[in-house]
Amino acid sequence: KQEVTQIPAALSVPEGENLVLNCSFTDSAIYNLQWFRQDPGKGLTSLLLIQSSQREQTSGRLNASLDKSSGRSTLYIAASQPGDSATYLCAVDGSSNTGKLIFGQGTTLQVKP
Amino acid sequence: NAGVTQTPKFQVLKTGQSMTLQCAQDMNHNSMYWYRQDPGMGLRLIYYSASEGTTDKGEVPNGYNVSRLNKREFSLRLESAAPSQTSVYFCASSEDWSSYNEQFFGPGTRLTVL
Repeated sequence: KQEVTQIPAALSVPEGENLVLNCSFTDSAIYNLQWFRQDPGKGLTSLLLIQSSQREQTSGRLNASLDKSSGRSTLYIAASQPGDSATYLCAVDGSSNTGKLIFGQGTTLQVKP
Repeated sequence: NAGVTQTPKFQVLKTGQSMTLQCAQDMNHNSMYWYRQDPGMGLRLIYYSASEGTTDKGEVPNGYNVSRLNKREFSLRLESAAPSQTSVYFCASSEDWSSYNEQFFGPGTRLTVL
């Protein structure tokens, strides 16, 4: 059974710092991996989607990498800002390729001014 | 575009009551999904509809039913609510079920069952 883990559960950094969020999964047979952002009391916003054949995706200050063989993905946030404070979730589309996402529990990021 | 909308935003039920959570999307997406989010458990898939006219069970379907009313709308029904169904429910949609398409989420419904 696919399991997705995100460590750490919470992270606090000063503004301007570059940071890395980690996501690991137990079954490397995935079709894609998505990173989402969730603000308190809100829904999820898709940040980046990496296909299984890709190594990384970039959007603005965000860069996500994928290493299927090791079962790991990282989300790199450059020059963090207080507005980046949120919970970041990763999810994998497992081997059934049905769009059924399996989520990690998230990393709650606080960026201090 | 409103994206994915959900009603109601909040609901309190007593044990044994029934209710239907409504979801609609205006992006002409084929696939729709229902998740629940619980502290310490993350988001878990309840049911999904890969295309209009089809539905299938996800990870935690017990106690729920769904209806794909048309291409736009996908409802989730609790026939006899239980305290264990207290959760935040999210609806999502994607262009189709293929691996190329990201999922877009609604704002959620916060349900409390007393």
